Amino acid sequence: GAGVSQSPSNKVTEKGKDVELRCDPISGHTALYWYRQRLGQGLEFLIYFQGNSAPDKSGLPSDRFSAERTGESVSTLTIQRTQQEDSAVYLCASSSPHASREQYFGPGTRLTVT
Amino acid sequence: GEDVEQSLFLSVREGDSSVINCTYTDSSSTYLYWYKQEPGAGLQLLTYIFSNMDMKQDQRLTVLLNKKDKHLSLRIADTQTGDSAIYFCALRASSNTGKLIFGQGTTLQVKP
Repeated sequence: GAGVSQSPSNKVTEKGKDVELRCDPISGHTALYWYRQRLGQGLEFLIYFQGNSAPDKSGLPSDRFSAERTGESVSTLTIQRTQQEDSAVYLCASSSPHASREQYFGPGTRLTVT
Repeated sequence: GEDVEQSLFLSVREGDSSVINCTYTDSSSTYLYWYKQEPGAGLQLLTYIFSNMDMKQDQRLTVLLNKKDKHLSLRIADTQTGDSAIYFCALRASSNTGKLIFGQGTTLQVKP
């Protein structure tokens, strides 16, 4: 079936503008995750949605970052008043309810703040 | 907090075995994963191991877990040029969360 999709694939924005990134998880996956990958680094956890439970927002770096998810479908990650240090690849993943909960990743959105 | 460490670079010759190592600090880790990232691409799940296992083999891939030393390794047999990529280990801290903690990644260079 279709994998995780993300849009846009690339986004260039000016410092101070708001951006919205979208993630479509694999159908039937109850959990959805957002990560950030800065150039040459590993992935940094941002936020995690599991079904109708309250999301785990412990990784969001500041109150400029927020995310929403409607049911078990699409999620949007919003960054307000973007800063140059927000430049990174934003990766979304989803996982099934199985115990191993393997996460399958989308191709990412490369955000560049000028 | 949790910490996951990997060496940054490994170079091998085509046909040799590659061993990529990972150490971690959180002893309550339940599942441990290996991901592959090719240039400009997203992460591809390669394999995973549950914390009550010592070894898992999947075709050319062998995962070894030493819980006492908190050491995880990925062995790739008969390494090919197509295996050149960045390899990330990741662990899930507990059964109550799905969030993964990633290492910095090991760049594997395979020379023909």
